[in-house]
Parts: sequence; structure tokens; C-alpha cells
Amino acid sequence: SQTIHQWPATLVQPVGSPLSLECTVEGTSNPNLYWYRQAAGRGLQLLFYSIGIDQISSEVPQNLSASRPQDRQFILSSKKLLLSDSGFYLCAWSLTVGRGGYTFGSGTRLTVV
Amino acid sequence: SQQGEEDPQALSIQEGENATMNCSYKTSINNLQWYRQNSGRGLVHLILIRSNEREKHSGRLRVTLDTSKKSSSLLITASRAADTASYFCATENTGTASKLTFGTGTRLQVTL
Repeated sequence: SQTIHQWPATLVQPVGSPLSLECTVEGTSNPNLYWYRQAAGRGLQLLFYSIGIDQISSEVPQNLSASRPQDRQFILSSKKLLLSDSGFYLCAWSLTVGRGGYTFGSGTRLTVV
Repeated sequence: SQQGEEDPQALSIQEGENATMNCSYKTSINNLQWYRQNSGRGLVHLILIRSNEREKHSGRLRVTLDTSKKSSSLLITASRAADTASYFCATENTGTASKLTFGTGTRLQVTL
């Protein structure tokens, strides 16, 4: 069966420090991968999505970047965190468009202090 | 940007009652999906309805879709305390395949 792993669960980082959040998917090949951010009490904002290795689309200009070094690995990074980067970050995967929903990871609560 | 707007933003009902949440969207869609999120957790996919479908059922869930009004509703029948969560609609928009755009969510509280 397919599973998705996202870590860490919580992270407190100082302003100006780097960030690396990792997401891996098991049990499937060539998934579409996504990074979303959720502000407190709000909906989800799509940050990046990838339909294949090294094929990454950015949805909003920001202080973050994403990479997909392997088929089932998606990494969210920042060189220097801002206070506004705080939020709940969710990784998700999907297969065939329109056939089913996304499967989400358990999320990373990032607090920039 | 947010595509869907859920209504109401918050809903409080007693166990056994039905809960209805509505979602409106702006552009043409391929499908619309509903998700549930328990506090501080990831989202769980509940149901998907395609643009050529009008109604779909899954257990105690009933989803309707009106593409002429660009709206959908999620009905949870005979609610339970365990249904307490936030519920989000999400649309896969025509021309932007492989991406879901989420609404702002409805916070459902089911009390005993």
C-alpha cells in the first residue's frame, strides 16, 4: 500500500536560519507531488507541485524553493527564514488526474522566531 | 489564491443531527473534492465528484454539485462527536490539471 512520510512534525527555527523539510512516498511510482502551506485557521495555499523529477512549478513568489532529487522525494527549502514563513506545511501526492484525491502527509508545524 | 469559499465558516450541532456545508467556486472544474482535517493533522480525502455528476454518496456522506451555480454541498447525516473536524472543498480546475485549489473550510463541532 502507498504511504507518505513527512518530517519533522514540529520545528522552531530562528529568523534567518535555513530550512529543509522532506517528504517521501512509498508504494507508488511517478506520483504528482505537492507542497501546501496552511496559515492558522485558513485554507491551504499551493506552494509547489511536481509532475516528475526536476519538473517543479512554483505557484507563488516567496522565500521558499522546492526540489525533487528522486521520483518519490520532495524537499521544501529556504536559505533564510522569515517570520512570515511560519505555518503548517503539508506534503501530498496523487496519481492519475481526476481519478482520486490527494493523500496528505501529517504536516510540519513551523514556527519562525 | 482561494478558489472555493465554504459556508458557514463554523457550524455547531448536536450528535444525531445532520450537518450541511456549502462550497462555491469561480472557474470551470474537472472535479470537486471534499476533505476532512482533524485539528493539527493532515487532510483526509472524503469524496470526489466529477463535473458531469450531480450527486454522490459514500456512507453517511452525500455530496451534490451544481455546475450552473458553481456550488457544491456536503451533507453528513446522523452526525457523531467523532465527525468534529474542519471540512474543505477543493477543485481541480479546467486547464490546470494536477492541481487542487482549496477553499477556506468549515469548522464543524458536534456535541454530545
